[in-house]
Amino acid sequence: GAVVSQHPSWVICKSGTSVKIECRSLDFQATTMFWYRQFPKQSLMLMATSNEGSKATYEQGVEKDKFLINHASLTLSTLTVTSAHPEDSSFYICSAGRGRHSNQPQHFGDGTRLSIL
Amino acid sequence: KNQVEQSPQSLIILEGKNCTLQCNYTVSPFSNLRWYKQDTGRGPVSLTIMTFSENTKSNGRYTATLDADTKQSSLHITASQLSDSASYICVVSDNAGNNRKLIWGLGTSLAVNP
Repeated sequence: GAVVSQHPSWVICKSGTSVKIECRSLDFQATTMFWYRQFPKQSLMLMATSNEGSKATYEQGVEKDKFLINHASLTLSTLTVTSAHPEDSSFYICSAGRGRHSNQPQHFGDGTRLSIL
Repeated sequence: KNQVEQSPQSLIILEGKNCTLQCNYTVSPFSNLRWYKQDTGRGPVSLTIMTFSENTKSNGRYTATLDADTKQSSLHITASQLSDSASYICVVSDNAGNNRKLIWGLGTSLAVNP
């Protein structure tokens, strides 16, 4: 079946550092990739929808200058958390789908646990 | 307001036993309902996806039901195994034109003990 690879799986860094997370679809071309954030004991929250070759669509309340998304190819999307602070510590998960809407079948990566000291 | 509520919040069962998880939703218009399994520290894995016209769908020892009239769904796990310990999340997709969304439940945390 389809596989989505997310890297790195775990990051610990100092406050003020920028962190880049990669999401790759390994065996299919992903027209759309989605970035989620999950806090402990809470459900996934959609942050943004990343469409190949165009600007990402951010959900209300998500700062686009804080969370930079680049989807330069059909197999790779990156999320950069700029000048990260302790409140940005969370579990970030990407998913990839063949359609352009979040209700299309999605395949999830294994997530990146980000800890900002 | 579109919402997805799951019960119970957590559940402990013995290995080999069956269990049923519940999901009630108020999402409208409705497109489909999904059940995901999420192991601790991992991304969700799809178990089933059901549209309006489907009443039941199975995936191995997992069987999901959907009653679109009462807006309820259940996930039944048969002959539970230790590896079934995870969070089970109900997700409902609306059908609101070009801005379709996934509404996520908080999940049921299942622990299967030997």
